[in-house]
Amino acid sequence: ETGVTQTPRHLVMGMTNKKSLKCEQHLGHNAMYWYKQSAKKPLELMFVYSLEERVENNSVPSRFSPECPNSSHLFLHLHTLQPEDSALYLCASSQDISPGRTQPQHFGDGTRLSIL
Amino acid sequence: DQQVKQNSPSLSVQEGRISILNCDYTNSMFDYFLWYKKYPAEGPTFLISISSIKDKNEDGRFTVFLNKSAKHLSLHIVPSQPGDSAVYFCAASIYYGNNRLAFGKGNQVVVIP
Repeated sequence: ETGVTQTPRHLVMGMTNKKSLKCEQHLGHNAMYWYKQSAKKPLELMFVYSLEERVENNSVPSRFSPECPNSSHLFLHLHTLQPEDSALYLCASSQDISPGRTQPQHFGDGTRLSIL
Repeated sequence: DQQVKQNSPSLSVQEGRISILNCDYTNSMFDYFLWYKKYPAEGPTFLISISSIKDKNEDGRFTVFLNKSAKHLSLHIVPSQPGDSAVYFCAASIYYGNNRLAFGKGNQVVVIP
């Protein structure tokens, strides 16, 4: 059983729809992340949450809205997306992000998003 | 600008032989490096890491080498097995930083039985 679970696995939506991606981690971690992976591009960090508080927003358009109600759950709310937003969206978690030392991040299997 | 670069996007190797994946970085502040492995339809899984205080770290069939002066690291898989067929991502960070990882684009490895 994976420690980080993402739903749905696949999502097709129109540009005017509103949908949400869900991530749940069962590892007791305090930090959670959203990444975007487009074809032939490196993983792009979108948002970082630490203890339910957003600590980073990497110039992500406002049509992406994250929510972290508790340290185990992370959502990405989507509205009025563009075709270029079609990508694999990955959630990850790590023990924490401060005060220091890098820890490996544990990834979910992602949501494949297609915008029509 | 891309801080972590993985060239030669795909590699085919015979089962039992060595697979060598290369990674270059540009940010001299990076001092911790990780390799992730990704199967289709699955998320990346952590494979092995190395701190800049070392030049080699070994875990079973996987060895990572770090050349700080050249800002280059490599992952050696020996012997390669069919189950190693996957995409491998190199990532870098600042160890006493904020756990932000910069990823490369990935290398596809195909191990031929």
